[in-house]
Amino acid sequence: EAGVTQSPTHLIKTRGQQATLRCSPISGHTSVYWYQQALGLGLQFLLWYDEGEERNRGNFPPRFSGRQFPNYSSELNVNALELEDSALYLCASSFGGRYTGELFFGEGSRLTVL
Amino acid sequence: KNQVEQSPQSLIILEGKNCTLQCNYTVSPFSNLRWYKQDTGRGPVSLTIMTFSENTKSNGRYTATLDADTKQSSLHITASQLSDSASYICVVTDSWGKLQFGAGTQVVVTP
Repeated sequence: EAGVTQSPTHLIKTRGQQATLRCSPISGHTSVYWYQQALGLGLQFLLWYDEGEERNRGNFPPRFSGRQFPNYSSELNVNALELEDSALYLCASSFGGRYTGELFFGEGSRLTVL
Repeated sequence: KNQVEQSPQSLIILEGKNCTLQCNYTVSPFSNLRWYKQDTGRGPVSLTIMTFSENTKSNGRYTATLDADTKQSSLHITASQLSDSASYICVVTDSWGKLQFGAGTQVVVTP
């Protein structure tokens, strides 16, 4: 069974540009979570989607946005990129609803902003 | 203030030795607590998950304990191996499904 898949693996952008990251959850999982992990730091919660709806949002500016598609895959968009957006972006999936079972993480997308 | 605090921030241990990592939390109402292992540049991988009624759970050389009364958990690594070098992250979920992540403990195992 395929795990959580993320694309692209690496992405290099310049300040002011936009970045789009993609995530495919494990089959049967309806919840998708996005996290940012800057170098040497812990995971910072970005967004939680369940059944196509945004359920929760972390303390990030509005230029971080996303969506979840009917097939439960998800997209994270970062507009007007800044240097400090350089980080590993991790996607995780789980069974949805109020019961949050085990999170399964993808290998991440490394975003570098020059 | 972070609702999940981990200690120590980092530690270095000799191969073959044991070590214990700590996680204190204030998350309420509590649902479950997980320990994850994250190799550098990779996604975290679950080691254990414990609910309110579970005191201890093992996964090979990893043993996690939970004291829900004092809101403390520990992760014990027995007979450490070089492959145990990683960041260990404590994650606590409340009854509404919201997750709180600790900052992690960076473990370095040296030969």
